[in-house]
Amino acid sequence: DAGVIQSPRHEVTEMGQEVTLRCKPISGHDYLFWYRQTMMRGLELLIYFNNNVPIDDSGMPEDRFSAKMPNASFSTLKIQPSEPRDSAVYFCASSSHAGTGVPYGYTFGSGTRLTVV
Amino acid sequence: QKEVEQNSGPLSVPEGAIASLNCTYSDRGSQSFFWYRQYSGKSPELIMSIYSNGDKEDGRFTAQLNKASQYVSLLIRDSQPSDSATYLCAVNPRAAVNKLTFGGGTRVLVKP
Repeated sequence: DAGVIQSPRHEVTEMGQEVTLRCKPISGHDYLFWYRQTMMRGLELLIYFNNNVPIDDSGMPEDRFSAKMPNASFSTLKIQPSEPRDSAVYFCASSSHAGTGVPYGYTFGSGTRLTVV
Repeated sequence: QKEVEQNSGPLSVPEGAIASLNCTYSDRGSQSFFWYRQYSGKSPELIMSIYSNGDKEDGRFTAQLNKASQYVSLLIRDSQPSDSATYLCAVNPRAAVNKLTFGGGTRVLVKP
């Protein structure tokens, strides 16, 4: 099991540029989550998908952020245009849940450290 | 009031001692609770899950849940320098399905 795979590991970009973060969840997991972590705000849920369908995007900070999950093995988080305040570590996580609906814990990817200058 | 609250620390513990971490949550209907460990520069790693009131033990870790008082705790017995990390409490709120809210984390330092 390769775990949750994120790319790139590090991204440095200039303000105003488009940034695309990528995630491959664990095979068989039907939930995918995008989190952002900063020192000031901790881990914040941006959006999550169930069976490739976006369920809750209330954490997406503004229209500059968008996320897609075209199939069960791939998701992207896009920021356009990027701003210095977007600098953070972005984590993708996936999970499944028991038939009773009780959720299992998440498995996180290694994260993408984004720096916008 | 934050949904999930933790003391940020650092919690300094001598090697071999017990580290005790606490977490409180605001949604009384919360059902599932998790502890994650995060080393500096790394991603969070699930170490414990607990769903029912009482204690759950796994190796040197014990999770304790008290739904009436809305707190969950983590005990680390025989603390080792390798336990030095930030420990994140995560709660599955009632209204959401499989959606975790994380506390800010408690930084633990185990001194040899």
